[in-house]
Amino acid sequence: DVKVTQSSRYLVKRTGEKVFLECVQDMDHENMFWYRQDPGLGLRLIYFSYDVKMKEKGDIPEGYSVSREKKERFSLILESASTNQTSMYLCASSLAIIYYEQYFGPGTRLTVT
Amino acid sequence: QQQVKQSPQSLIVQKGGISIINCAYENTAFDYFPWYQQFPGKGPALLIAIRPDVSEKKEGRFTISFNKSAKQFSLHIMDSQPGDSATYFCAASTSNTGKLIFGQGTTLQVKP
Repeated sequence: DVKVTQSSRYLVKRTGEKVFLECVQDMDHENMFWYRQDPGLGLRLIYFSYDVKMKEKGDIPEGYSVSREKKERFSLILESASTNQTSMYLCASSLAIIYYEQYFGPGTRLTVT
Repeated sequence: QQQVKQSPQSLIVQKGGISIINCAYENTAFDYFPWYQQFPGKGPALLIAIRPDVSEKKEGRFTISFNKSAKQFSLHIMDSQPGDSATYFCAASTSNTGKLIFGQGTTLQVKP
């Protein structure tokens, strides 16, 4: 079974803090994704990576950056957290970008106060 | 701009009934349409998917119906069970980018 793990289930940070969300997958997948999930908006893609050290902007990259130094690990960084970044963050991985199933982690509920 | 519009936002169905969730899309280049199921506290998981070369795909009690001319697709859950209670997301992608565009989600409650 594919396992995608996220470092925290719940996180509370203060406005202006630098926040790191970590994601690890154990199936040697090439592709990894970060989404945020908000009620009434579904899942929106923040960034994705199709190879180590490679990244592509998704639909809502503003205020976020990512890092992928190793194939199995994909980090989402909030350089200066703001209250409008309070959300559920979901990491996913897939064997290929096109037509392939994305496997999701359980999510990190981030609250910025 | 929401490229994939999903309805209804929430749905309550009696056990044994049929649950129907609808999605409409705008981009005619979309060529892959998966449905994801999410239980509370879990990440979404792929339920069933369809390509536009077929009008229907069935897996057990779950069926996707696809209408290319109307740019609509729907999920039908036959003989709905309380264990089907979850949030369902439709999605679409193109072979150019592979990026999934998700609908807003539908929270389904199946009453015993």
